[in-house]
Amino acid sequence: DIVMTQTPLSSPVTLGQPASISCRSSQSLVHSDGNTYLSWLQQRPGQPPRLLIYKISNRFSGVPDRFSGSGAGTDFTLKINRVEAEDVGVYYCMQATQFPHTFGQGTRLEIK
Amino acid sequence: EVQLVESGGDLVQPGGSLRLSCAASGFTFSNYWMTWVRQVPGKGLEWVANIKEDGSGKWYVDSVRGRFTISRDNAKNSLYLQMDSLRAEDTAVYYCARGGFIREYWGQGTLVTVSS
Repeated sequence: DIVMTQTPLSSPVTLGQPASISCRSSQSLVHSDGNTYLSWLQQRPGQPPRLLIYKISNRFSGVPDRFSGSGAGTDFTLKINRVEAEDVGVYYCMQATQFPHTFGQGTRLEIK
Repeated sequence: EVQLVESGGDLVQPGGSLRLSCAASGFTFSNYWMTWVRQVPGKGLEWVANIKEDGSGKWYVDSVRGRFTISRDNAKNSLYLQMDSLRAEDTAVYYCARGGFIREYWGQGTLVTVSS
């Protein structure tokens, strides 16, 4: 199984400051079809997960442009340009390149 | 507007069975892979199963293979998860999501509790 490792697991951030979350996979996430199925999800308190970024760097519909994704192969990053209060929650990376699909442990973003 | 509404969660004894449903609306259901993902309260996410658009392909996480069955009824715009031989470790909120590789939309989830 592909293991997804996120760092940090907790990230206290000042409002208006940037935040960055790293995700590393135990194997390359390049699929045989050429795509890299690495997504980032946000889960606000008491809410279901919500898709933010898919295929490394594509922002999903309605996601603010302060969220961006980057990376390749086994190393990926989610960046939030300027953190807002509504960004509080847990962020997960997820790979869907190989079955079983797997998630990172989650990174809790909180405001200082 | 895309909507996914799960139902069927309940308290069930170990060894029991339960069938979860996910009612889809706002999109052409038969065009999309669908997924079940679960989350132990307060813990992380775990992928459970995927099904292709026409139901011809199904994939499961090892811990549920042989006990859970994913299915769909495209005429009813519905996704199902038949859960048999339930164990305490199956206790979780179960979410359905649209998409097999990119989970674009998620339901609110339904809670399954396995306990005597």
